[in-house]
Amino acid sequence: DSGVTQTPKHLITATGQRVTLRCSPRSGDLSVYWYQQSLDQGLQFLIQYYNGEERAKGNILERFSAQQFPDLHSELNLSSLELGDSALYFCASSVDPTSRQETQYFGPGTRLLVL
Amino acid sequence: AQSVTQLGSHVSVSEGALVLLRCNYSSSVPPYLFWYVQYPNQGLQLLLKYTSAATLVKGINGFEAEFKKSETSFHLTKPSAHMSDAAEYFCAVKSGAGSYQLTFGKGTKLSVIP
Repeated sequence: DSGVTQTPKHLITATGQRVTLRCSPRSGDLSVYWYQQSLDQGLQFLIQYYNGEERAKGNILERFSAQQFPDLHSELNLSSLELGDSALYFCASSVDPTSRQETQYFGPGTRLLVL
Repeated sequence: AQSVTQLGSHVSVSEGALVLLRCNYSSSVPPYLFWYVQYPNQGLQLLLKYTSAATLVKGINGFEAEFKKSETSFHLTKPSAHMSDAAEYFCAVKSGAGSYQLTFGKGTKLSVIP
């Protein structure tokens, strides 16, 4: 158990819908990262937050957005869903995003299926 | 920009045989490299990481990796495979500027044959 929690574990929805994925970082970690794992794209970095502020963006679609709240939990919002958005979404956390050697700890993921 | 390439999307070994999973990196700065393992229907777990302290890095579950700058490689090895090692393995490099994320390879699925 990494200490990172994600809910829900599974999500099934229809095209065009909007969903929210939730992540709670490890105790003491200030930074949250979102990654997407799909069969065709592999594991891709989406977005990073540190203490409530966005710090870096990766290959995140404009239909996707995220935020980190004062209690440090984060939510990833996916809207106007398409079939291709079906994937496993991971959240990771760390203390200091400016440290290249620091480990990122991953949650169990949310599996999203868009029908 | 930093990137990693994993050679072989699928590797099969017999139980008790040597495990060798290959990872080559590309980086304009000294790299910080990681190996993660993903068991079926689970998240990613850190196996080991290279942070320039030592070129031979020992990790969990008997795995180790050697950083070779001349070959730009960070291959993962285990002397004797166990059935429980069957999983997908990802090599990753810290990338970014000022605030760092992980850039992953495509992954190598390891099968262990009894």
